[in-house]
Amino acid sequence: AQSVTQPDIHITVSEGASLELRCNYSYGATPYLFWYVQSPGQGLQLLLKYFSGDTLVQGIKGFEAEFKRSQSSFNLRKPSVHWSDAAEYFCAVMYSGGGADGLTFGKGTHLIIQP
Amino acid sequence: EAGVAQSPRYKIIEKRQSVAFWCNPISGHATLYWYQQILGQGPKLLIQFQNNGVVDDSQLPKDRFSAERLKGVDSTLKIQPAKLEDSAVYLCASSLGREQFFGPGTRLTVL
Repeated sequence: AQSVTQPDIHITVSEGASLELRCNYSYGATPYLFWYVQSPGQGLQLLLKYFSGDTLVQGIKGFEAEFKRSQSSFNLRKPSVHWSDAAEYFCAVMYSGGGADGLTFGKGTHLIIQP
Repeated sequence: EAGVAQSPRYKIIEKRQSVAFWCNPISGHATLYWYQQILGQGPKLLIQFQNNGVVDDSQLPKDRFSAERLKGVDSTLKIQPAKLEDSAVYLCASSLGREQFFGPGTRLTVL
């Protein structure tokens, strides 16, 4: 069964510092990969996605992620965080087959921004 | 463009009661999903519809959960009877391609 691992439950970063959130997925056929952000009381907002092609993908709010097939990873990065980036971040994978394409999510990483 | 709508936003019930959630997807989106998000965890897929047919309900606890999507548009998710462990946020999402758009969710508390 497909799975997603986000090894860091909490991460604390100073405002203006760089950020990297880790994500590993179980090996399988070509995955479709996603990063979502969830603020308190809000739904999930898509930050970026990878389907194929260039392994470095750009998203909204200055985020980027790099797909590394050899490491089964899809880490999220941002060069300089803002206080408004404090939220829960979820990595998700989709294996499309037979029409069933629901997302499998990791447990999330809670990002805390220090002033 | 209007997003995915869900109601109610909050619901508190006693265990063994029944509850229903409603979802209106983005217009024209053929695929609709229900996810359950327990506190401290990522969302878990419960059921996927393509138009008004079920594509995947392998993780739906069918002894107490049911869902329908009449006319391939709106959907309802029902729990009967509810258990304490059903306390969670229930998220609805819709898609036209591979990107899923999520609604704000319904927060269910079972006492």
